Amino acid sequence: GENVEQHPSTLSVQEGDSAVIKCTYSDSASNYFPWYKQELGKRPQLIIDIRSNVGEKKDQRIAVTLNKTAKHFSLHITETQPEDSAVYFCASLSGSARQLTFGSGTQLTVLP
Amino acid sequence: DAGITQSPRHKVTETGTPVTLRCHQTENHRYMYWYRQDPGHGLRLIHYSYGVKDTDKGEVSDGYSVSRSKTEDFLLTLESATSSQTSVYFCAISGGQVNQPQHFGDGTRLSIL
Repeated sequence: GENVEQHPSTLSVQEGDSAVIKCTYSDSASNYFPWYKQELGKRPQLIIDIRSNVGEKKDQRIAVTLNKTAKHFSLHITETQPEDSAVYFCASLSGSARQLTFGSGTQLTVLP
Repeated sequence: DAGITQSPRHKVTETGTPVTLRCHQTENHRYMYWYRQDPGHGLRLIHYSYGVKDTDKGEVSDGYSVSRSKTEDFLLTLESATSSQTSVYFCAISGGQVNQPQHFGDGTRLSIL
């Protein structure tokens, strides 16, 4: 089945700096890649997603890039703020299965 | 927020007892999912449903069963709970096609002693 690896597992940045989280996937038929933000004790919330026919997508300070050839995708957060501190999860929808496979998460800490 | 209600929100029970968790949605979405979340493992799919009475297994389905008799309700049952099933359980829904965004409920924290 699909395998998703996420790096780094922890990331600390100064407020105002950029943060980048990277994920790789194994199934070349995967076609949908969402990113979720989860604050402590809360539910995961979708923050951005990208489909395989698009190379990049932006929403204000958040962007996601997809490299299908290399089978990796990344989350970019610019001008980080303390409220960006949370655990971020990437996920991949395998083309052969109807289910999302999640990465193990990245704990992002934005230092004031 | 997506109209998803999970119940109960917290439960403590003993090994060997049956447990049923409920997910109720008001969005009339086709797809419903049950995940468990454990430290270091992210979210892992237990079972999912693609319509009334249509369900399939996920990555970690052993020890769990599900039922969906109505569009709005998806039940997860632990027939005989074990301590390894202590976890936070999330329900998610998505509509239309399978590659639509999934939205999560608030979770159920289940402790099995």
